[in-house]
Amino acid sequence: QKEVEQDPGPLSVPEGAIVSLNCTYSNSAFQYFMWYRQYSRKGPELLMYTYSSGNKEDGRFTAQVDKSSKYISLFIRDSQPSDSATYLCAMRALGQNFVFGPGTRLSVLP
Amino acid sequence: EPEVTQTPSHQVTQMGQEVILRCVPISNHLYFYWYRQILGQKVEFLVSFYNNEISEKSEIFDDQFSVERPDGSNFTLKIRSTKLEDSAMYFCASHVWGADLPGYTFGSGTRLTVV
Repeated sequence: QKEVEQDPGPLSVPEGAIVSLNCTYSNSAFQYFMWYRQYSRKGPELLMYTYSSGNKEDGRFTAQVDKSSKYISLFIRDSQPSDSATYLCAMRALGQNFVFGPGTRLSVLP
Repeated sequence: EPEVTQTPSHQVTQMGQEVILRCVPISNHLYFYWYRQILGQKVEFLVSFYNNEISEKSEIFDDQFSVERPDGSNFTLKIRSTKLEDSAMYFCASHVWGADLPGYTFGSGTRLTVV
């Protein structure tokens, strides 16, 4: 089993839709969970950060972590064409380097 | 907003040649990283660097790779003898301090094409 799994997509949604992006992982030591957005030919840009389990909201974005299920989610409300990008989850254990998921490519159609 | 700057944005090199990829991390950051992303694949950790020495490296980071912080502002990745499979986007990242702060700041990357 891969350490971090993520549906590669592509995921196409109409403008205004709610988008759900997910990652599963196998390492129960992971404590820090990130979501990065990566536009084509650009570096990853940090969107959301959560520590351990729970929810975190920032504008149109909500990150959820369920450590018991080893499952994290990113929700995007009122999606916009400018949200079209690849979304990478990343996670790590204390004192360790990040492990990235392969990314989900999202297209929001006007 | 502070940025991590990488140069060049695109480099084409012949197989067997040496390349140096340059990064200027955010000025008060102390931890530096190189990651690689082969086209269509996931972002992979190469090496981390702190206090002028490598703190961790992956299996990818073999003897052909080296890193240096030559002058207190630049952070370089050298590939001694490039192979076709080294073609990828190379991202530099930096981190202010402590292993427990949220995510790194990434540069925009250098696209390396080995021909």
